[in-house]
Amino acid sequence: DTAVSQTPKYLVTQMGNDKSIKCEQNLGHDTMYWYKQDSKKFLKIMFSYNNKELIINETVPNRFSPKSPDKAHLNLHINSLELGDSAVYFCASSPTGARHSGNTIYFGEGSWLTVV
Amino acid sequence: DAKTTQPNSMESNEEEPVHLPCNHSTISGTDYIHWYRQLPSQGPEYVIHGLTSNVNNRMASLAIAEDRKSSTLILHRATLRDAAVYYCITKTSYDKVIFGPGTSLSVIP
Repeated sequence: DTAVSQTPKYLVTQMGNDKSIKCEQNLGHDTMYWYKQDSKKFLKIMFSYNNKELIINETVPNRFSPKSPDKAHLNLHINSLELGDSAVYFCASSPTGARHSGNTIYFGEGSWLTVV
Repeated sequence: DAKTTQPNSMESNEEEPVHLPCNHSTISGTDYIHWYRQLPSQGPEYVIHGLTSNVNNRMASLAIAEDRKSSTLILHRATLRDAAVYYCITKTSYDKVIFGPGTSLSVIP
């Protein structure tokens, strides 16, 4: 019944590896996001998709590639992982993305990525 | 990048009201004011939002200044479970939501 679910919750991997984090929302929302929360606890938006179309792409290294197979899923693939990629990654979704600034964002529980 | 400023931390005694302030002096006329909170080891969760009028829901109240340059989140009776980081954000129509560092609320038993 979880509205926004992401897997895995914890991931420990070595530098240089490629890994993916999956996200699914069952709320029927049009817009999905990826946020990164680093060790200083700042939440930074990485990507935003509206109906499978990329609408926000912040200054994120191109090692990070989001993939949205349908509007209920937004996966994050990370190539050649670096130590600085260690963070908590949050997936989120909201209804009717760009057209209504009152809409609420629903967050997943986070994926704790540790690169060693 | 955050368009809001909040105190880094606040303390409250349990069962007392808490007023969490937020300044958003550059807010535009169509931006909503949203409050989210993040409990330890969890994702942020929605608390309340408003545009111009004060708002109440089961979690909290939101008092918005007449000029909309500031707002206050009011928790009427703080509980230990309210200890969290509270984020005040102004939401643009493009959903580029920018979170600041928020206010870390400690609740003292």
